[in-house]
Amino acid sequence: QSVLTQSPSTSGTPGQGVTISCSGSRSNIGGSTVNWYQQLPGTAPKLLIYSNNQRPSGVPDRFSGSKSGTSASLAISGLQSEDEADYYCAAWDDSLNGWVFGGGTKLTVL
Amino acid sequence: EVQLVESGGGLVKPGGSLRLSCAASGFTFSNAWMSWVRQAPGKGLEWVGRIKSNADGGTTDNAAPVKGRFTISRDDSKNMLYLQMNSLKTEDTAVYYCTRRRAVAGKGLFDYWGQGTLVTVSS
Repeated sequence: QSVLTQSPSTSGTPGQGVTISCSGSRSNIGGSTVNWYQQLPGTAPKLLIYSNNQRPSGVPDRFSGSKSGTSASLAISGLQSEDEADYYCAAWDDSLNGWVFGGGTKLTVL
Repeated sequence: EVQLVESGGGLVKPGGSLRLSCAASGFTFSNAWMSWVRQAPGKGLEWVGRIKSNADGGTTDNAAPVKGRFTISRDDSKNMLYLQMNSLKTEDTAVYYCTRRRAVAGKGLFDYWGQGTLVTVSS
């Protein structure tokens, strides 16, 4: 069981928008910032969103993040086929003194 | 260009040992905090542990499942990160990724990842 909770899967059609949620606790999301990683099939994870809502250079503005209390969300607008991937949230956990990840959400673009 | 290249994975029997290496280039390795993250087949990401820069004490922290069995070290003269894995268990089977930790306003993130190396623990 992952410390951060994500829905296992979600889907959408091209052009649609989807939101992926990530739930934690005061020791992790509630007391830190949230990062999101995208893992395309067969590849290493890639940083998608950091510090709750910041995009690294090169990440399209179709991707956005937010955080409220002990939960965070990743929104993807204007879905494209290349967005089909696994998405993971992550945060530092002060109680565990380590990084914790969500179990991942598999996005299918129908 | 930042590059992280892992090596050393392979098949090992339960109870055995293995050392993974990560060759870093394209940045000042000695300044970086580094982490290992693993992914069991078909599963999610799991943080294994980290090592701070020597300027920040060079200390290590490990996740509970590997504490006492895995040791992270670094050789800044060679720009190398290591993961010594002892007393391996079948549940340690995973792809192991080397990652660079960057700080923004004091908060960390993993901005670069290696391609991963597969460790299989099986009799």
